[in-house]
Amino acid sequence: QDQLVQSGGEVKKSGASVKVSCKASGYMFIRYGINWVRQAPGQGLEWLGWVHPENDDTKYAQKFQGRITVTADKSTRTVYLDLSSLRSDDTAVYFCARDRVGVAGLWAYDVWGQGTVVSVSS
Amino acid sequence: EIVLTQSPGTLSLSPGQRATIFCRTSASITRSSLAWYQQTPGQAPRLLIFSVSSRPTGIPARFFASGSGTDFTLTISRLEPEDFTVYFCQQYGSSPPTFGGGTRVEIK
Repeated sequence: QDQLVQSGGEVKKSGASVKVSCKASGYMFIRYGINWVRQAPGQGLEWLGWVHPENDDTKYAQKFQGRITVTADKSTRTVYLDLSSLRSDDTAVYFCARDRVGVAGLWAYDVWGQGTVVSVSS
Repeated sequence: EIVLTQSPGTLSLSPGQRATIFCRTSASITRSSLAWYQQTPGQAPRLLIFSVSSRPTGIPARFFASGSGTDFTLTISRLEPEDFTVYFCQQYGSSPPTFGGGTRVEIK
């Protein structure tokens, strides 16, 4: 079945960078965009960015511009989130999530990764 | 960005009762681009509703939703034990996509 499997938890110091991976299986990888969404402890959901693996087109939330990079590797069917200059308020569970429709655009998310805990300490 | 305000924050009900959750957006939603997700503790969100009122395959019919413009509603017709958890609305018609703050449905 369609599945996204994320890398394991990370513990980082303030100012460091983190790279989280999201490996897709069960569907045509290049057809569907992948989003990154995070959830701070006890909080709601926040969208960070998106990549379309077919043409590597990306979109980012303005809040993260300059310190976020989202990439896709077609050979390994893996999407990566790179977040730099980490602060304590970046502590959250980071989810990857697939666009429901296989056309570039804004869509609901129908397949989610299991989440990756990123803890940032000073 | 479009702000989504959910109400109530917490809903206390008994199994078998009807739950109604509201989502108000700060601007009118385009292309019916409003979704609802269910999230159980420690799990990723699950898509319940897309395009305001459409259910993905496998979502029970007791979940239904409606709305237009800036006011949207998720209804669970008869609560099952597994429905007592948290629900989020999301607009994806305008970038950036944004989510509501969540509604917790708890057992009364």
